[in-house]
Amino acid sequence: GDSVTQMEGPVTLSEEAFLTINCTYTATGYPSLFWYVQYPGEGLQLLLKATKADDKGSNKGFEATYRKETTSFHLEKGSVQVSDSAVYFCALSDNQGGKLIFGQGTELSVKP
Amino acid sequence: EAGVAQSPRYKIIEKRQSVAFWCNPISGHATLYWYQQILGQGPKLLIQFQNNGVVDDSQLPKDRFSAERLKGVDSTLKIQPAKLEDSAVYLCASSFRGLQETQYFGPGTRLLVL
Repeated sequence: GDSVTQMEGPVTLSEEAFLTINCTYTATGYPSLFWYVQYPGEGLQLLLKATKADDKGSNKGFEATYRKETTSFHLEKGSVQVSDSAVYFCALSDNQGGKLIFGQGTELSVKP
Repeated sequence: EAGVAQSPRYKIIEKRQSVAFWCNPISGHATLYWYQQILGQGPKLLIQFQNNGVVDDSQLPKDRFSAERLKGVDSTLKIQPAKLEDSAVYLCASSFRGLQETQYFGPGTRLLVL
């Protein structure tokens, strides 16, 4: 069945460092890909999404490109801030019923 | 626009007791999802409704879990009887029509079974 694999955390970075969180997927058909973020004490929020191959999703300085040839959707940010500390989830949505299939999450901690 | 509402936010029960969670989706959203998020894992779909019909309940433990969405709006998820392994956060999400659209999540209900 469909699945998502993320790099394990926790990831600890200093402020202004470059961030990459790896995400790969296995799916039949052509899923949409998402990154959700969960800030401490809050619910899941959509960070960005891409619906077809080579699409780039971007939001709040974060970017991810849908790479069909490598089945990847890696999250990047050029300069992280303390306020980016959160848990990040990669997910795919199949083109059947639309349910989300999540990776296990990657905890990011940014130190000043 | 109001977001997805859930209650209660926290619940502590003993094993073999029953518990119910409530969700009110964003107004006008036809699709409603219940996910279970065990500590350290990503959310896993329990059940998906389209209006008041069930689209996918393949991962719902039907011997103890039940869910309904009366009138295609609010939904309740019930566990009876609860087991220790049901300790998790139960997330409700909604989307306008479903298929590959953005899902909006509520704050979740954190359940602890002792």
